[in-house]
Amino acid sequence: QKEVEQNSGPLSVPEGAIASLNCTYSDRVSQSFFWYRQYSGKSPELIMSIYSNGDKEDGRFTAQLNKASQYVSLLIRDSQPSDSATYLCAVNSLTGANSKLTFGKGITLSVRP
Amino acid sequence: KAGVTQTPRYLIKTRGQQVTLSCSPISGHRSVSWYQQTPGQGLQFLFEYFSETQRNKGNFPGRFSGRQFSNSRSEMNVSTLELGDSALYLCASSSSSGSHEQYFGPGTRLTVT
Repeated sequence: QKEVEQNSGPLSVPEGAIASLNCTYSDRVSQSFFWYRQYSGKSPELIMSIYSNGDKEDGRFTAQLNKASQYVSLLIRDSQPSDSATYLCAVNSLTGANSKLTFGKGITLSVRP
Repeated sequence: KAGVTQTPRYLIKTRGQQVTLSCSPISGHRSVSWYQQTPGQGLQFLFEYFSETQRNKGNFPGRFSGRQFSNSRSEMNVSTLELGDSALYLCASSSSSGSHEQYFGPGTRLTVT
């Protein structure tokens, strides 16, 4: 069973701080990694994708991937109250000849004004 | 470009009934994946369709089925509804099969009484 684990939350940070969200995965051959943001009562929204080891930056968001450690993280700089949401980590996994996305259970971030 | 659309948005059914949910992917996308989201289990993969063929299937009973039409629109059907089927059903479209970036629709909230 391919697993995607997200560190337990909820996570609360003050406005302007850096929020660090972590995710580990069990399938060593995974190649694609994604972060989704889900506001309460809404559907998940893709915010970052990363495929290679290292950092990928997009505005205030930075995704970090370390395939050797099977670890992917999302940093949110200058956190805003509008960043308060549940963040889902998703990893591709192979099932036979096909692959699918496996999601972590998510971590809820609260940004305090 | 229009996003993923799902109908209906809300549905209330009685145990034992069946239900059909519809999903129209982003124009040009040929892959549609279906997920069930519940507070306890998170996002669980149901199945993926690509070019009218089921490419992958999650660990759900045979009561859950789906299909895809030549215009890439997809439907999922749940027969003999159980109370535990109450959930948010999400479909996600992707330009290709497998682990490429997936974009979610707003979901169908199903309540089984």
